[in-house]
Amino acid sequence: NAGVTQTPKFQVLKTGQSMTLQCAQDMNHEYMSWYRQDPGMGLRLIHYSVGAGITDQGEVPNGYNVSRSTTEDFPLRLLSAAPSQTSVYFCASSYRHSHEQFFGPGTRLTVL
Amino acid sequence: AQKITQTQPGMFVQEKEAVTLDCTYDTSDQSYGLFWYKQPSSGEMIFLIYQGSYDEQNATEGRYSLNFQKARKSANLVISASQLGDSAMYFCAMREAPQGGNNRKLIWGLGTSLAVNP
Repeated sequence: NAGVTQTPKFQVLKTGQSMTLQCAQDMNHEYMSWYRQDPGMGLRLIHYSVGAGITDQGEVPNGYNVSRSTTEDFPLRLLSAAPSQTSVYFCASSYRHSHEQFFGPGTRLTVL
Repeated sequence: AQKITQTQPGMFVQEKEAVTLDCTYDTSDQSYGLFWYKQPSSGEMIFLIYQGSYDEQNATEGRYSLNFQKARKSANLVISASQLGDSAMYFCAMREAPQGGNNRKLIWGLGTSLAVNP
């Protein structure tokens, strides 16, 4: 049982490049979400999904796309990277009726 | 709008002593949940404890307890018998829980950095 996995752990992009942050969970959790963590800003919700085929926006969705084609995977796509997207990105998952969210180890992204 | 306030940017405690980390919240909803997470220097987020707004008793999980004062809108985390491994950032978070809904969106505080001294 690997829990929530995220790849890559570190990434450096140039402004304008696109990339996908991967997130997978093997616990059959219905709910998955993406957060970004910035110094002095706490964690902010980017996008979330309550099940395969269903996604919705969080607090800070601009510049990011998500899809949920399977229960296990919830990739986050940066369409055209900007320096303001430099952050640590966390993926989390939980059962629909559970209070506990399980977090992945995070991806540290730097946009130059 | 929902808001979580953690007024202590940093706290120090001696090993084996108890420490209280403050959290106040603002919401107009009657049904909500309050969470505490720990983030060690390694970066992962670890769930510690949960308190529902309708729970009559304060939540406890091992050395962690949540001092829930609904009228004051506070949800302080108490760590008893501090250990060196408790040194970390601690985040308070809140979630609305509308009836029949499936809201998993958490609103987070800015965190408190706890250092446990030997």
